[in-house]
Amino acid sequence: GAVVSQHPSWVICKSGTSVKIECRSLDFQATTMFWYRQFPKQSLMLMATSNEGSKATYEQGVEKDKFLINHASLTLSTLTVTSAHPEDSSFYICSARDLRQGGYEQYFGPGTRLTVT
Amino acid sequence: DQQVKQNSPSLSVQEGRISILNCDYTNSMFDYFLWYKKYPAEGPTFLISISSIKDKNEDGRFTVFLNKSAKHLSLHIVPSQPGDSAVYFCAASLNYKLSFGAGTTVTVRA
Repeated sequence: GAVVSQHPSWVICKSGTSVKIECRSLDFQATTMFWYRQFPKQSLMLMATSNEGSKATYEQGVEKDKFLINHASLTLSTLTVTSAHPEDSSFYICSARDLRQGGYEQYFGPGTRLTVT
Repeated sequence: DQQVKQNSPSLSVQEGRISILNCDYTNSMFDYFLWYKKYPAEGPTFLISISSIKDKNEDGRFTVFLNKSAKHLSLHIVPSQPGDSAVYFCAASLNYKLSFGAGTTVTVRA
C-alpha cells in the first residue's frame, strides 16, 4: 500500500510555455499532498502544501502565480508551472500523507524531471 | 536556515558491517522524525520513523535512535547489504510538514 504516482516522469518544454504535472495516490485517499523540488546534489525543498478542496499554502519565496496547484479530488493533485523559464528546470517530486499510518509518514512519487529550453 | 543537518555527505561501509548515519536538528518543536532512502532520478522511499516521545524504533535491519536532549538522531543498518547503497535523507516533521537534511550517500563495498 501507500503508492504514489507522478506523470509525466520527464518533460522538455520551450521557454514561455506551461507544463502540468500530476500526482496521484493509487491505493489510499490523501487529503494533503506536498510538492517539492530538488536541484542536483541538493536536498528536497518543500514548495507548497496541497489541500483537497481548498487553496494550497506556499512556502516563503515560492511564487504562487507561477506554480499553480490544484487538489480537486482525494487522489489527485496537479502542479502547473506557468510561463516556464530555464531556471525552473528541476526535479519535481510530490508526496502524500497516508492517514492510515497516523499521518506523519509521507509517501513520495517517482518525480518529474522538467527541462526548459 | 537549515534546521536539519546531515554533516557527513558520504559513508563507505563493508558488506555485512553496520552503517551508522547521523542527523542533527535545531528546532525542538519537531515532533516526528523519518528516514528516507533515495536513488538518483527517483522519489524517496520511506524507511523508518520515530515519534519525539520515543528514543528507539526498530524495523528489521533498521533501527532509529533519538536523543532529544542532544537534538540528534541516528539510523543504524545492520548488516549492510549492497542494495543499501543509496542516498539517505533524514527528515523532521512540524505540523506534518517535512524539513530534509542534505543527505548522506552510502556505499556498501563487497
